[in-house]
Amino acid sequence: EPEVTQTPSHQVTQMGQEVILRCVPISNHLYFYWYRQILGQKVEFLVSFYNNEISEKSEIFDDQFSVERPDGSNFTLKIRSTKLEDSAMYFCASSESGYTQYFGPGTRLTVL
Amino acid sequence: AQKVTQAQTEISVVEKEDVTLDCVYETRDTTYYLFWYKQPPSGELVFLIRRNSFDEQNEISGRYSWNFQKSTSSFNFTITASQVVDSAVYFCALTPLNSGGSNYKLTFGKGTLLTVNP
Repeated sequence: EPEVTQTPSHQVTQMGQEVILRCVPISNHLYFYWYRQILGQKVEFLVSFYNNEISEKSEIFDDQFSVERPDGSNFTLKIRSTKLEDSAMYFCASSESGYTQYFGPGTRLTVL
Repeated sequence: AQKVTQAQTEISVVEKEDVTLDCVYETRDTTYYLFWYKQPPSGELVFLIRRNSFDEQNEISGRYSWNFQKSTSSFNFTITASQVVDSAVYFCALTPLNSGGSNYKLTFGKGTLLTVNP
């Protein structure tokens, strides 16, 4: 069964460093999303992406964040200058029709 | 704006007990989808069910059943004869269908941690 994959599973970085989180969505899906979950809290929407552009972004998704679909398979989330409060689990999701979203296993980002 | 409330933070049951996880939602949209996701200790989010707002039929899948009541804005999830493998955090989520075709962002509740003890 096709699934969303994410790399790395765990990323440790120093405050102020740039990180790129990678996702490979399910191959025939057209809608892509990033969410984050701070430890023990609820899952929060960051950004949605369709037709090679951002559809919507939340207040969390400020100028430090960017997304890209550099080729036909990858979908990346970049944080330019990480802060301590960016420490969280980041989930990528994809959807064929936009309705049901299938999530990847997540990348745990730890900012020191 | 949408809001999903899962008032039960934690529930603990003994194996084979039935358990119901509550979900109450708020939305001004007339059409929307409701979801349940499971997050086991390994951390991934597993899709369980999607329900649209114009279909109030209850659904059963094995030991899982869902009760959608539009009149009370609730979408409750029952596990019958719970098993230790059901131990996880369960999230209820909502997306409106009126936002256009390019974005169906999910609004999640805070989740309910279910612990099933042997």
